[in-house]
Amino acid sequence: EIVMTQSPATLSVSPGERVTLSCRASRSVSDNLAWYQQKPGQPPSLLIYGASTRATGVPARFSGSGSGTEFTLTISSLQSEDFAVYYCQQYTIWPPFFGPGTTLDI
Amino acid sequence: QDQLVESGGGVGQPGRSLRLSCAASGFTFSSYGMHWVRQAPGKGLEWVAIISYDGRIQYFGESVKGRFSVSRDNSKNTVFLQMDSLRAEDTAMYFCAKDFRAYSATSPLDSWGRGTLVTVSS
Repeated sequence: EIVMTQSPATLSVSPGERVTLSCRASRSVSDNLAWYQQKPGQPPSLLIYGASTRATGVPARFSGSGSGTEFTLTISSLQSEDFAVYYCQQYTIWPPFFGPGTTLDI
Repeated sequence: QDQLVESGGGVGQPGRSLRLSCAASGFTFSSYGMHWVRQAPGKGLEWVAIISYDGRIQYFGESVKGRFSVSRDNSKNTVFLQMDSLRAEDTAMYFCAKDFRAYSATSPLDSWGRGTLVTVSS
């Protein structure tokens, strides 16, 4: 199995800031890495897949990069609706584990 | 537009069983693998199980292996999660989710239901 870690666990930020979230896999997942956003009381929604491809309807301020074991999600200018929990997930092998999440706090 | 609606949650006693359902619409259900993912109160996402598009392959997380089973009825566009030998630690919101890619063993999850809450308590 491949274990996913994320850092930091929590990030206190302000609207308009540029933010970078990190995700690490215990061994290479190639570019089979997805990012999800989850707001309180809602299911997760797919943001990024293939490490860097935005899902349909995702704003351009979200970007993903990386391959192998190190990945980042960048939000270029935080909007109020971006305060949420962000999870990475590898889907190169089963089980497709999620990382523990990063919470963006005001 | 993809839609997934879970049902069957509620209170289950330790050691007993519950069966969750997920009704799908808006896409060709028989072409996509389906997943169950759970989230304990205040915690992160835990992947639970997958069933392939044709139902031939199932795979489970270690914490539920041997206790949970997954099945699907492609004629009714529904996937099921049979939860046996329930434990307190199974208490969670259970989401079903759809593979992004058809007929794929490696795919992110592009559509999610709103979840059904399972509480295991005596």
